[in-house]
Amino acid sequence: DIRMTQSPASLSASLGETVNIECLASEDIYSDLTWYQQKPGKSPHLLIYNANILQNGVPSRFSGSGSGTQYSLKINSLQSEDVATYFCQQYNNYPITFGSGTNLEIK
Amino acid sequence: EVQLVESGGGLVQPGRSLKLSCAASGFTFSDYNMAWVRQAPKKGLEWVATILYDGSRAYYRDSVEGRFTISRDDAKSTLYLQMDSLRFEDTATYYCATRAGTHWGQGVMVTVSS
Repeated sequence: DIRMTQSPASLSASLGETVNIECLASEDIYSDLTWYQQKPGKSPHLLIYNANILQNGVPSRFSGSGSGTQYSLKINSLQSEDVATYFCQQYNNYPITFGSGTNLEIK
Repeated sequence: EVQLVESGGGLVQPGRSLKLSCAASGFTFSDYNMAWVRQAPKKGLEWVATILYDGSRAYYRDSVEGRFTISRDDAKSTLYLQMDSLRFEDTATYYCATRAGTHWGQGVMVTVSS
């Protein structure tokens, strides 16, 4: 199984700041990576797929990058509505696996 | 508008069975690979199973292989998850989603408890 190591587990930042969340895959996943946002009590929401393609309707302050085993999600100009838990997911191979999540809050 | 609506959850004793359904609308269901993903209380996301768009193949996580069966009825635009021999550790909110993650249901709670 491909292990997805996500960091940090939690993150506190001020409005307007830029934050980065990292995911490290245990083997090359060839950019088969998705980022999700999940707000409390809600279903996950797709932000980024293929490591760096922004899903329709997602604000451009979200961006994804990376290749091979290392990937990151960047949120520019943090807004209050960005408070959520963020998950990475690899779909290069079965079983599909998720990172453990990053809980983002506002300072 | 795309909608995925799960049903069939509830409280069940260990060893018993439960069948989840997910009614899809607003898109051509038969074109999409579909998946079930679960989330235990206060925990992360865990992929459970995927079925290909044509029903030709299904994939399962090891811990549910042989106990759970994913299936689909394209005429009814409905995805199913038959869960047998349920265990305490199967307690979670179960989400139906397109395999690519573009659309998710609201989730349905399954509680396995004696």
